[in-house]
Amino acid sequence: DQQVKQNSPSLSVQEGRISILNCDYTNSMFDYFLWYKKYPAEGPTFLISISSIKDKNEDGRFTVFLNKSAKHLSLHIVPSQPGDSAVYFCAASGVDSNYQLIWGAGTKLIIKP
Amino acid sequence: GAGVSQSPSNKVTEKGKDVELRCDPISGHTALYWYRQSLGQGLEFLIYFQGNSAPDKSGLPSDRFSAERTGGSVSTLTIQRTQQEDSAVYLCASSLSPGDPNFNTEAFFGQGTRLTVV
Repeated sequence: DQQVKQNSPSLSVQEGRISILNCDYTNSMFDYFLWYKKYPAEGPTFLISISSIKDKNEDGRFTVFLNKSAKHLSLHIVPSQPGDSAVYFCAASGVDSNYQLIWGAGTKLIIKP
Repeated sequence: GAGVSQSPSNKVTEKGKDVELRCDPISGHTALYWYRQSLGQGLEFLIYFQGNSAPDKSGLPSDRFSAERTGGSVSTLTIQRTQQEDSAVYLCASSLSPGDPNFNTEAFFGQGTRLTVV
């Protein structure tokens, strides 16, 4: 039973445009959500997070939106740059899992020049 | 150390041999995770440690896989009688835990160990 789902295995976006990566979850007890970015041959690195008391968190070109009623979050990258090409993982945690991170399968983002 | 350290970075082994992969978490991080990523696949959870105990071993794919953590720090993932399907990048991550005054759930990853079974 996948508690965190990233339904798009890949996404291709033109440089300069907005990239929107989506993540759905099933456990309403999750209260903390994170996005990670992974380049080939490297470990994932933390990008941005949001707690369940917020619906938006912004950091430079990156914004995460949380819709608790829909159990959905999204990562917006504006404007997209070639260096953003990577695999993006969504993760969630909550008190009932003792804050163990539960991961999505990842979305490969390709930024076209 | 400053970050999560994994060794070796690359390991080529013959089918049927045992391998040990090591993870040195960030000092003070009581939570430790092992994952693996096969070619073209997402992160596959293997095991989660809280201190020296493993409350969640549900991801270990078979009894050939085991992991331990001693002193609440270094962890070793052991794969016995390796098979070709074990070939993957094995990633370790660590984080603070609930109860720590600076707690947040951000996990920090090592660079991974690329295991190739031939």
